[in-house]
This record gives sequence, structure tokens and C-alpha cells, in this order.
Amino acid sequence: QSVLTQPPSASGTPGQRVTISCSGSSSNIGRNTVSWYQQLPGMAPKLLIYNDNQRPSGVPDRFSASKSGTSASLAISGLQSEDEADYYCAPWDDSLNGPLFGEGTKLTVL
Amino acid sequence: QITLKESGPTLVKPSQTLTLTCTFSGFSLTTGGMSVGWIRQPPGKALEWLALIYWDDSEHYSPSLKTRLTITKDTSKNQVVLTMTNMDPVDTATYYCARYDYFDYWGQGILVTVSS
Repeated sequence: QSVLTQPPSASGTPGQRVTISCSGSSSNIGRNTVSWYQQLPGMAPKLLIYNDNQRPSGVPDRFSASKSGTSASLAISGLQSEDEADYYCAPWDDSLNGPLFGEGTKLTVL
Repeated sequence: QITLKESGPTLVKPSQTLTLTCTFSGFSLTTGGMSVGWIRQPPGKALEWLALIYWDDSEHYSPSLKTRLTITKDTSKNQVVLTMTNMDPVDTATYYCARYDYFDYWGQGILVTVSS
């Protein structure tokens, strides 16, 4: 069964740059594009990044993402308190024949 | 403006069948390439994809839940319905519907508790 590994937690101080990794396999990240979601406490997830590195309209350019091989990463620069949330990566998985969500990373702004 | 909203029971008993409805607006499931999916999230846990239905009626299910899930659509009502049979307390979760590709628009979610 496919698994996307994310660190359970990450943290930074206001203004800092933090990155969140997402490690997968050839059946998902290695072959398909990755999207990233931000879930604020008590809220529904929100699309942050699609097609590996594209931002939907309205998402600040402080959020960026990249992919290499079977791993992807999300970077947040100029960290703000309102960035405190859970973050999920989600590529299509060929074995699952559907989207696969990562384990999620809880970002704390110290 | 694109919106989605989940509706259904918030409490079901073990072994019962859950039926959830996603009512959407701002797009049509008759448009080529369009799809709607269901995702759930147990309290304090990660997101889990459940099912997708496409404009051409094709369906995709999470292999681990495939035998218990059915997803259908009613394009005249702009609704997608998910049924899950044989509910168990471990199925307690917030259930979301979202437009796919990339799940760009989400409903607010509905918390379903499975308890006798």
C-alpha cells in the first residue's frame, strides 16, 4: 500500500523560511503531479499548490513548492502566525488509482 | 462562485448504512473532465480519499473501502451521493466533498459519529 511520508511537525518563528517534505514513490510523486493543501484549525482544507508548483489565484507567493524524483517539498517564506496549520501533500497514485494524501505536517509558528 | 455542501445524518449506529449528499453549484458535472470526490478525516488524523465520480460516470474507489462504497451523481440536481455500508465506530470522521482536479473547492464538511 502506497504511503506518503511527511514529518509530523515543523516550526519556525515569524519571518523565517520553513520547508515541509513529502516522500513518495514511483507510483505517485515519481510519475504524477503533486498538490498541497493547508488546513487551518477547525476548517476544511484549502488548495495551496497544484501541478507541483502552481499557486491558485489568491495564494500568496510566500508559498512555493518543488519536486525532484519521488520527493516533493513545500516552502513557506516570511512565516506568519496565520500560517499555523496542518499541511498535506497529495499526488495521484497509480496503484491506488486515486489521489493519495500524505500523513500531514503540523506547522507551529513560535 | 463555486460552492459545495455536504448533508446527511450526523449520527449513525454500527452496521447501518451512511448516505451523504454533496450539493454543489457554480460548475456542472456534465462538463468534460469534471469530477467530484469524497474525502474523510477522523478526529485528529489525516485526510483519506474515499471515492471519485467523473462527468462520464466513471468511478474510482479507495481499494481499502471499495466493497463498502458507492458513489453516484444526479446532474439535474447538481448532487453527488456517497453511500457507505456496514458503518463502524472507526468510521467516525468529518466527511468532505470536493471538486477534483486537485480538490480545488471543498465543502465545509460534516462530522459523522458512529455509535450505538
